[in-house]
Amino acid sequence: NAGVTQTPKFQVLKTGQSMTLQCAQDMNHNSMYWYRQDPGMGLRLIYYSASEGTTDKGEVPNGYNVSRLNKREFSLRLESAAPSQTSVYFCASSRARVLYEQYFGPGTRLTVT
Amino acid sequence: TQLLEQSPQFLSIQEGENLTVYCNSSSVFSSLQWYRQEPGEGPVLLVTVVTGGEVKKLKRLTFQFGDARKDSSLHITAAQPGDTGLYLCAPPREDSNYQLIWGAGTKLIIKP
Repeated sequence: NAGVTQTPKFQVLKTGQSMTLQCAQDMNHNSMYWYRQDPGMGLRLIYYSASEGTTDKGEVPNGYNVSRLNKREFSLRLESAAPSQTSVYFCASSRARVLYEQYFGPGTRLTVT
Repeated sequence: TQLLEQSPQFLSIQEGENLTVYCNSSSVFSSLQWYRQEPGEGPVLLVTVVTGGEVKKLKRLTFQFGDARKDSSLHITAAQPGDTGLYLCAPPREDSNYQLIWGAGTKLIIKP
């Protein structure tokens, strides 16, 4: 099993450009998450999908959109990138609400110039 | 608002030494998870503690959940360079069935 995979691994965008970050999991998990991680700030939840067909905002959703394409895939879209969105983005998944244990992908390092 | 504090923020020690890092809050939690994140990687779950006073061991790592379930500690015995990483604690949010609260972490460096 590959676990949680993310593409791309690195990306540089110019201000105003758009892009989609892809995430897929092969663990048959119901819930999926998108986080951003900035130095000294810990992980901040952008959006999550409790189950296939549902999505909800997290702490910092502004400037982002998501799509839960099917049970396996959860994508994050930046419609008009801003320098403040320079960060490392992690996708995670979890099997169930019980214990909330999450499994993370390797991350996408995004720089917006 | 549930706040989480991890201490110390940064710790650099020599191989073979012992250390303890802490995760504190004024809130009571139903459970708490510890993750380790190595440079350039995503966090990896180490352990989940559920019961007040619970102690779990993972090789040289000992995790304890406070009796009142407001705090937790991670003790590493005879630290090794492979223990280097960012240690994160994460309890569930009381107002959400799916979200965790994330501490800023303790960055640990073990020098050979």
